[in-house]
Amino acid sequence: KAGVTQTPRYLIKTRGQQVTLSCSPISGHRSVSWYQQTPGQGLQFLFEYFSETQRNKGNFPGRFSGRQFSNSRSEMNVSTLELGDSALYLCASSPRLQGFSEAFFGQGTRLTVV
Amino acid sequence: AQTVTQSQPEMSVQEAETVTLSCTYDTSESDYYLFWYKQPPSRQMILVIRQEAYKQQNATENRFSVNFQKAAKSFSLKISDSQLGDAAMYFCAYRSNNNDMRFGAGTRLTVKP
Repeated sequence: KAGVTQTPRYLIKTRGQQVTLSCSPISGHRSVSWYQQTPGQGLQFLFEYFSETQRNKGNFPGRFSGRQFSNSRSEMNVSTLELGDSALYLCASSPRLQGFSEAFFGQGTRLTVV
Repeated sequence: AQTVTQSQPEMSVQEAETVTLSCTYDTSESDYYLFWYKQPPSRQMILVIRQEAYKQQNATENRFSVNFQKAAKSFSLKISDSQLGDAAMYFCAYRSNNNDMRFGAGTRLTVKP
């Protein structure tokens, strides 16, 4: 079974631009969560989607948004990029809303904003 | 708000020895789940072990075991017979029903040959 796939792996953007990151969950998984990882703030929860609906949202500005498609693939978008958005963005999938479910993580997308 | 604290930014262990990583959390919930994840240099987070709060018995997965002290809100990870491949960042995480997963700041484990 293929694991969680995140594309692209690396991305360099200019301040003010917008970016879209993609996550393909493990086949059959309906829950997708996104996290931002930085050296200063650690791992912070962005949002969780289940069956195309956002179920939870972290404490991030409205510039961060996401969506989930009917095939469970998910995208997150960051508009008006700031230098502080440079981070590793991790996606995790679970067969159901997480709870005790194991979250399977992708290898992440390293976003650098210059 | 739920918080997770890992007080050891770095730990070191000799190969074949045992090491314990600490984790404490703060919550007012009675039903929740605790996890330890490992992040090697490849960046991919891998689940090491998990524990349901209502279960008093400590979880064990091969060389990995936890010491779950619910009253003390403590959830430490013990790695026995440490191997070079255990070198990684280890994150303690907490999750209650219908809520997001909260992670600690992580502990970088070095394994010396």
